[in-house]
Amino acid sequence: DTEVTQTPKHLVMGMTNKKSLKCEQHMGHRAMYWYKQKAKKPPELMFVYSYEKLSINESVPSRFSPECPNSSLLNLHLHALQPEDSALYLCASSPGLAARESYEQYFGPGTRLTVT
Amino acid sequence: TQLLEQSPQFLSIQEGENLTVYCNSSSVFSSLQWYRQEPGEGPVLLVTVVTGGEVKKLKRLTFQFGDARKDSSLHITAAQPGDTGLYLCAGARAFNKFYFGSGTKLNVKP
Repeated sequence: DTEVTQTPKHLVMGMTNKKSLKCEQHMGHRAMYWYKQKAKKPPELMFVYSYEKLSINESVPSRFSPECPNSSLLNLHLHALQPEDSALYLCASSPGLAARESYEQYFGPGTRLTVT
Repeated sequence: TQLLEQSPQFLSIQEGENLTVYCNSSSVFSSLQWYRQEPGEGPVLLVTVVTGGEVKKLKRLTFQFGDARKDSSLHITAAQPGDTGLYLCAGARAFNKFYFGSGTKLNVKP
């Protein structure tokens, strides 16, 4: 099973709202990622968690706040977003071990976020 | 500046034709992945290549990793409409960090 699940599939929020995106995997992977993807562009890395610790933050604005409650779950808390933050938000996971398989990322279906 | 450049950006071909997509960089990567993405969905992993010069075949798809581990190619034989999608390459350098190419949008017409 190489499934990464994301909820919700679609989200519309106002600029003053607070919402959260959720991601879950049960493959025993120890690295989890958040990406942002605009239309017709490749995914842009936002955050990487490795063994439940934040290891990479690609200078993402503080209105995006990641959280990794345990090795299977990854959240992205959203607050005071701007219309330009509207995008497809993708979660991914990889084994996170020093082996060939560690280079394989598995993506969820994404959350389509619209900020009004 | 994109670390990985893909070419072509767009490709529109007839069913049955062959095609090659290139993924190039001046940097060395530990591994290279290829993904296919449908509109509104997440990328689906097709293959990972790790060894310089490695060639992998998946049915009509052939993937190659350059000897110097700086570039890769994806060749599709006898393309079908089901191959339509956005093809993305991604290279791994630092542990757990992946760099995506600019993408190739393929349209296969019946």
